Amino acid sequence: EVLLVESGGGLIQPGGSLTLSCAASGFTFSNFDMHWVRQTAGRSLEWVSAIGTGGDSYYPDSVKGRFTVSRDNAKDSLYLQMTSLRAVDTALYYCVREGPNWEFDSWGQGILVTVSS
Amino acid sequence: DIQLTQSPSSLSASVGDRVTITCRASQSIATILHWYQQRPGTPPKLLIHSASSLQSGVPSRFSASGSGTEFTLTISGLQPEDFATYYCQQTYKIPRTFGQGTKLEI
Repeated sequence: EVLLVESGGGLIQPGGSLTLSCAASGFTFSNFDMHWVRQTAGRSLEWVSAIGTGGDSYYPDSVKGRFTVSRDNAKDSLYLQMTSLRAVDTALYYCVREGPNWEFDSWGQGILVTVSS
Repeated sequence: DIQLTQSPSSLSASVGDRVTITCRASQSIATILHWYQQRPGTPPKLLIHSASSLQSGVPSRFSASGSGTEFTLTISGLQPEDFATYYCQQTYKIPRTFGQGTKLEI
């Protein structure tokens, strides 16, 4: 069974930094592209980052230059380093696996990040 | 960025009904369009990938079609567990984008 477990969330002041982690199990982690997706209360889903099997990374303009995605295949883990955090970054962050047809086929339960003074 | 517009934003229906949700893309995305279901307090669940392919384990009352810029998700014979929010998503281009969601209510 595919399992994705996020950790590292919490309350952080504006301008602060936080690193999220995602522990993967139940599949060969190194063979899959991975993503972070966030969801704010009452709003839709927003793609936050992607990292390929070769380590290539991609971001939307809203987080580019502030967020960095990385992976450690030896530890079956995905990370999201977030800096210069803003109130608008407050959201539930999901770790997501990309399937063979570019679909997001497995999701973690999510971890809450709250940016507030 | 490719914008996805879902309609309606909310929908009221009854158990046993047939409902259809539409997703329109701001530019052609071939069939690289996926549908997700999200129940309150849970992460999204993949229902349909590649515009019309049912994900393994998803009931056959869910079906979808479309290509280019217009796509539909149909649920035939609504069950109580189907009352949830549905999202479309394109992975044709970066940034990956989602529709704003359609809330299906009893």
